[in-house]
Amino acid sequence: EDQVTQSPEALRLQEGESSSLNCSYTVSGLRGLFWYRQDPGKGPEFLFTLYSAGEEKEKERLKATLTKKESFLHITAPKPEDSATYLCAVQAPNDYKLSFGAGTTVTVRA
Amino acid sequence: EAGVTQFPSHSVIEKGQTVTLRCDPISGHDNLYWYRRVMGKEIKFLLHFVKESKQDESGMPNNRFLAERTGGTYSTLKVQPAELEDSGVYFCASSQVKPHRLAGAYEQYFGPGTRLTVT
Repeated sequence: EDQVTQSPEALRLQEGESSSLNCSYTVSGLRGLFWYRQDPGKGPEFLFTLYSAGEEKEKERLKATLTKKESFLHITAPKPEDSATYLCAVQAPNDYKLSFGAGTTVTVRA
Repeated sequence: EAGVTQFPSHSVIEKGQTVTLRCDPISGHDNLYWYRRVMGKEIKFLLHFVKESKQDESGMPNNRFLAERTGGTYSTLKVQPAELEDSGVYFCASSQVKPHRLAGAYEQYFGPGTRLTVT
């Protein structure tokens, strides 16, 4: 069974204090690794898809990277509006369902 | 473009009652998925439709749950009879049929969820 472990569970940052979130995964092959952002009371919002080791994607202050065993979501100079829960999910080959981690809740203080 | 919509946003029912959740996917998305998050746990897959056909039901917890997608448009998820452990947030997601890349993954777009409370 696919396993996704995210760390830390919670992260409190000062505005401008860069940090990284980790997503470790175990899957038989990897079709794709997904990062989502979720705000309280809302559904997950798609951020990135990573397909192969070495790949990187960027969006504003977020940068996602992928190795054969884990992915990192780097938040550079975060702002309070970056506060959210960040979810990682994997998709196995020949499969459609996503297997999610428990998420990292990021709080950025002004 | 309208996103995935779900109705109702909240539902509070008593144990033993029936509840029906509805999901309207993004227009043109033939793939439709149901997921659930129970308190303190990660989001878990329930099932997957391709148009009106059930492609994968491996995540459905038991036969009290019935999902339909008549006509390949919107979908309903019925829980009958509801039990206390069915409480949680039910998410619907949709994706296009063709992958973004030739050998790529299917990016799924989620609705806001329905929060179900069984008392």
